[in-house]
Amino acid sequence: KNEVEQSPQNLTAQEGEFITINCSYSVGISALHWLQQHPGGGIVSLFMLSSGKKKHGRLIATINIQEKHSSLHITASHPRDSAVYICAVYEGNKLVFGAGTILRVKS
Amino acid sequence: KAGVTQTPRYLIKTRGQQVTLSCSPISGHRSVSWYQQTPGQGLQFLFEYFSETQRNKGNFPGRFSGRQFSNSRSEMNVSTLELGDSALYLCASSLRANFYEQYFGPGTRLTVT
Repeated sequence: KNEVEQSPQNLTAQEGEFITINCSYSVGISALHWLQQHPGGGIVSLFMLSSGKKKHGRLIATINIQEKHSSLHITASHPRDSAVYICAVYEGNKLVFGAGTILRVKS
Repeated sequence: KAGVTQTPRYLIKTRGQQVTLSCSPISGHRSVSWYQQTPGQGLQFLFEYFSETQRNKGNFPGRFSGRQFSNSRSEMNVSTLELGDSALYLCASSLRANFYEQYFGPGTRLTVT
C-alpha cells in the first residue's frame, strides 16, 4: 500500500462546478503539501498545511490529522484549472508524493 | 525577482556516463531540494540542502549525490547512468528548510540512451 493515496485518479468537470480532490496518508506527518502541475511541466506549490484549513482565491485546502486525510477544493472551476494536482506529505526526513489527480475542466 | 533556474534544460547521455545538473535558487533562498519525475514512479524526493548541509534525503542509491555552494546554488550529480535514470529532474528553492513554501524550477529533461 502506498503511503499517500489520492482520489480520484482522473476527474472531468464542467466549468463552474465545485471540485474535490482527496488525499489519504498512512504515516505520521509534519506537514502536507498540495502542488499543481500544468501540461508544460511547471509545478506550483499551492498550500502547505499541518492543521485546519487554508484558502487562496478559489482554492481551499483542509486537513484532518486524526483521520490522516486532506482535501483540496476548487470552487467555480474554470478551464485554466485543468492540471495535475499532487499531494505530498513531509514524513520523517523526506517528502512522499501521491500519484496525482488529473483534472480536466470543460467549458 | 528572478525565479528558480535550472541548467541545462535538456540533456542526452549514454549509459555508464555521469551527469551534473545545476540549480540556481531565488535570491535569498537558502534551501534547495531536488526531485525526480518519471511516468512510472511519479515524483520522488532526492535530497534537500540548506546552508550547504544536506538536511533531508530520499531513498535513492549512492549514484545520486548533490552539493550546495555558499551562494546557495546547488548541483546534482548522477554517476554510472542507467536507462531508468531518464526523467525530468526538478529543483525547488525555499527561504527555510524542511520543504517550507517551495518554488519550483522548470526542470532538466535527462534522456539516457
